[in-house]
Amino acid sequence: SQWGEENLQALSIQEGEDVTMNCSYKTYTTVVQWYRQKSGKGPALIILIRSNEREKRSGRLRATLDTSSQSSSLSITGTLATDTAVYFCATDEGSALGRLHFGAGTQLIVIP
Amino acid sequence: EAAVTQSPRNKVAVTGGKVTLSCNQTNNHNNMYWYRQDTGHGLRLIHYSYGAGSTEKGDIPDGYKASRPSQENFSLILELATPSQTSVYFCASGDRAHQDTQYFGPGTRLLVL
Repeated sequence: SQWGEENLQALSIQEGEDVTMNCSYKTYTTVVQWYRQKSGKGPALIILIRSNEREKRSGRLRATLDTSSQSSSLSITGTLATDTAVYFCATDEGSALGRLHFGAGTQLIVIP
Repeated sequence: EAAVTQSPRNKVAVTGGKVTLSCNQTNNHNNMYWYRQDTGHGLRLIHYSYGAGSTEKGDIPDGYKASRPSQENFSLILELATPSQTSVYFCASGDRAHQDTQYFGPGTRLLVL
């Protein structure tokens, strides 16, 4: 799992497999955002889950949120080589100021 | 039609020199952010802004200044660059109307020799 000052985590899987990445956060958040960053690019939002939601789906993506344990997960089903990227979770720490706190990220490598 | 652009994309600077990184957004977002990203680590917030004329310190502001002269433009200034500031810098924009989702530029790779 990822958070704060932890080093980048790495996962390597075969194309077609399913994968789940975890994220733990330290304080209250109104939303968890998951970003994907491909090599040489800036991060881009892929899915967002609010504190009143337990699960959110978008295509092959599924995000869960457990506010009691302050954790979120991102699952990708039927991975493709193009899913190779670094995945970050981000929380707002309850802030109304528009700041996000990003986790250290998970490097996912999908082998064709 | 990239909504957040950064310039330059690559920069080599000398220690003690002044470096200015520029960011432009066409999203009409109120908030803009500067992050640095170092190998194997996440994004660390340097400075941010809520609108033209405002700048706020993020988590690692030392050695950096910021300027927001307009809604569209946000600059990061390294007055006296040091090798420890070698990194990839990302600019982002966002606002409450979009649930504070941040839209990132392509990044600037800075090498300080």
